[in-house]
Amino acid sequence: GQQLNQSPQSMFIQEGEDVSMNCTSSSIFNTWLWYKQDPGEGPVLLIALYKAGELTSNGRLTAQFGITRKDSFLNISASIPSDVGIYFCAGQLSGGSNYKLTFGKGTLLTVNP
Amino acid sequence: DADVTQTPRNRITKTGKRIMLECSQTKGHDRMYWYRQDPGLGLQLIYYSFDVKDINKGEISDGYSVSRQAQAKFSLSLESAIPNQTALYFCATPESRVPNYVYEKLFFGSGTQLSVL
Repeated sequence: GQQLNQSPQSMFIQEGEDVSMNCTSSSIFNTWLWYKQDPGEGPVLLIALYKAGELTSNGRLTAQFGITRKDSFLNISASIPSDVGIYFCAGQLSGGSNYKLTFGKGTLLTVNP
Repeated sequence: DADVTQTPRNRITKTGKRIMLECSQTKGHDRMYWYRQDPGLGLQLIYYSFDVKDINKGEISDGYSVSRQAQAKFSLSLESAIPNQTALYFCATPESRVPNYVYEKLFFGSGTQLSVL
């Protein structure tokens, strides 16, 4: 089956620093999604990517869909304390009724004020 | 946005007990999912349903069963709970009611933290 390798597993940064995390896959995906999970809550969608090479921003967040369709990265610029949480990548290989997502194991981000 | 409600939010039970986790959504979506989250392991798909009569196993369905009582309700059961089923459980539905064959953006409930002693 499809597997996603998400790195790093955890990050400890100072407020104001930029953050970068990525996901790589053993197989091709047609869609990449990035979610954030706050403590005690379910994951919330941050950014969705649909085309290879696509670069999409959402405020201080920027994500890219790799050209090979086997990877994606997420950057957070000028981090703030509320960026704390677990960030998940998810890939989907669409086709017919295949709606299932494969999730990475998450990156735990801690931001020191 | 989909409105997904999970009950209970927290549950502590003993080994061997039968447990049901409930999920309801108010947007009339056909598709519903149950995921399990363990620390450091991300989200793993347990079961999913594309409509009331369509139930499918996910990656880790052993030890679990589901029931789609109505379009709005999708329940997850642990017939005989064991300690390694201690985890955070999420129900999810798509953000859009219209099926999109290119992508599926999921909206998650707030989760049920289950502890099996």
